[in-house]
Amino acid sequence: DSGVTQTPKHLITATGQRVTLRCSPRSGDLSVYWYQQSLDQGLQFLIQYYNGEERAKGNILERFSAQQFPDLHSELNLSSLELGDSALYFCASSAGDSRSYGYTFGSGTRLTVV
Amino acid sequence: AQKVTQAQTEISVVEKEDVTLDCVYETRDTTYYLFWYKQPPSGELVFLIRRNSFDEQNEISGRYSWNFQKSTSSFNFTITASQVVDSAVYFCALSGGAAGNKLTFGGGTRVLVKP
Repeated sequence: DSGVTQTPKHLITATGQRVTLRCSPRSGDLSVYWYQQSLDQGLQFLIQYYNGEERAKGNILERFSAQQFPDLHSELNLSSLELGDSALYFCASSAGDSRSYGYTFGSGTRLTVV
Repeated sequence: AQKVTQAQTEISVVEKEDVTLDCVYETRDTTYYLFWYKQPPSGELVFLIRRNSFDEQNEISGRYSWNFQKSTSSFNFTITASQVVDSAVYFCALSGGAAGNKLTFGGGTRVLVKP
């Protein structure tokens, strides 16, 4: 157990729907990162939050949004889902905003859009 | 922009053979961090090593060793005496500098260790 908890582990939904992925960071970690792993794009950074504030944005679609709550858990919202959104979504956490800290990844949420 | 290239998409070896995974990176920054992660068939990403750009010392951890060469922008990973449990996809990643804390991953190398 890495200490980073992602729920649900699997999600199957239809095109056009909206889903929410949840991530609880490792105890004491302030930063949360979201990554998408798909067959064609590989592992890509989506967005980072630090202590409730957005810190960095990657190739995140406008249909996707995220937030980090006061208790530091984070949610990634995916709307108007398309077949191409099917992927493994990882959450990672780190202790601070320093680049010297390591990242701890959760086990991922596998999203299948049918 | 940062870039990580893992030219080997798949490597197949027989148990007890050594296997070396290549990683070449591109960055304009002088301070950066390099990582290796393992993704077994179960899907999770397992952290293996982090190295900062000022530490070119090679590292050995059990059967794993890493060779960091700034002159060639490479951070190669060797598994000595491979075992079936080493079968996984291995990712090299880069962070730091202007790119901030986000990890830029290579495409991964799938290692298949046959008994």
